[in-house]
Amino acid sequence: DVKVTQSSRYLVKRTGEKVFLECVQDMDHENMFWYRQDPGLGLRLIYFSYDVKMKEKGDIPEGYSVSREKKERFSLILESASTNQTSMYLCASSLGGGGVGKLFFGSGTQLSVL
Amino acid sequence: GESVGLHLPTLSVQEGDNSIINCAYSNSASDYFIWYKQESGKGPQFIIDIRSNMDKRQGQRVTVLLNKTVKHLSLQIAATQPGDSAVYFCAESFGNNRLAFGKGNQVVVIP
Repeated sequence: DVKVTQSSRYLVKRTGEKVFLECVQDMDHENMFWYRQDPGLGLRLIYFSYDVKMKEKGDIPEGYSVSREKKERFSLILESASTNQTSMYLCASSLGGGGVGKLFFGSGTQLSVL
Repeated sequence: GESVGLHLPTLSVQEGDNSIINCAYSNSASDYFIWYKQESGKGPQFIIDIRSNMDKRQGQRVTVLLNKTVKHLSLQIAATQPGDSAVYFCAESFGNNRLAFGKGNQVVVIP
């Protein structure tokens, strides 16, 4: 079974802090994604990566950056956390090879910015 | 997360009955569709997918129907069980290496 692991289940940070959310997948997938999930808004794509060191902006990239130095790891960075970034963050991966394919999700990180 | 079901359309169904969850998608060029299930406190889990060259696809206790004419997708769950209580999301892709998700439907199974 594909496993997508997010490093933290819950995080509490202060406004202005730099925050790192880590995600690791163990199935040699090409594509990795970061979504945020808010009540009533569904899942919104922040950034995605289709290869090592490659990244593309999703629908809501403002205030975020990402890093993909190794194929299995995709990090989401909040340079200066703000209260409106309080949310559930979901990492996902997919096989690649043309098209998005089936996404496999981690369990999520609930981030609270105070 | 725990609050993902707030403000969502809710379908209440008796245990053992069939459930139908509907989804209107936005892009007529979309060529791939997926249904996900999300239980409280967990990430979304793949249920079934369908490509645009098909109208129907069946899995274990689930069937997805695609009507491209009216851009409508539905998920049918046969003999609904308490473990089917969750939020269900449809998602579409139009060949650009990404999925766009709907806002979700809450399903509540009444024992």
